[in-house]
Amino acid sequence: NAGVTQTPKFQVLKTGQSMTLQCAQDMNHNSMYWYRQDPGMGLRLIYYSASEGTTDKGEVPNGYNVSRLNKREFSLRLESAAPSQTSVYFCASSEASRDRRNQPQHFGDGTRLSIL
Amino acid sequence: AQKVTQAQTEISVVEKEDVTLDCVYETRDTTYYLFWYKQPPSGELVFLIRRNSFDEQNEISGRYSWNFQKSTSSFNFTITASQVVDSAVYFCALSGPIIQGAQKLVFGQGTRLTINP
Repeated sequence: NAGVTQTPKFQVLKTGQSMTLQCAQDMNHNSMYWYRQDPGMGLRLIYYSASEGTTDKGEVPNGYNVSRLNKREFSLRLESAAPSQTSVYFCASSEASRDRRNQPQHFGDGTRLSIL
Repeated sequence: AQKVTQAQTEISVVEKEDVTLDCVYETRDTTYYLFWYKQPPSGELVFLIRRNSFDEQNEISGRYSWNFQKSTSSFNFTITASQVVDSAVYFCALSGPIIQGAQKLVFGQGTRLTINP
């Protein structure tokens, strides 16, 4: 059972290049998320998708776009990469149940992105 | 706005010592959820525990225990008889009520725990 799979694991870009980070989950979760992790700042939410066909901004959406391709896949795109976007990017998924018990998010292993 | 503060940036202890990681949160929601995640040196995020705002019962899981106190807005994590394998960065996180099925997590800055042999 793969859980949440992110590709690629590592990437180096030049300033101005574009890049799409891929994420797929096999747990049939409705909700998917993209976070970035910077040193000393914890993880911050970039975008999320509550269900297939919907996307919403998180805390730090500027410079990014997302696509919820289907229930399984949620991609993050950098149209014109900037050095400030150097970070580790995590994709996550979750399923909220109706009994008020909030299920935990399951995270992928991350994509380490460096922009020169 | 929601906020999570982990004031301890780094902690270093000798193996077998007990250690407590502090987490203080701020929220205006009456329904909210608290989480702890572990990030070992390999980099993945491992879920440890979830606690709902309407359930203040503390929890123990083996050497791990969590103390949730709404009166002080704290959700502290204690490792008893620490082991080298406990060395990791630990994150406390908060989410508000579920909206359209989604939970938006706000993370603390993390505490880097080093257990020395």
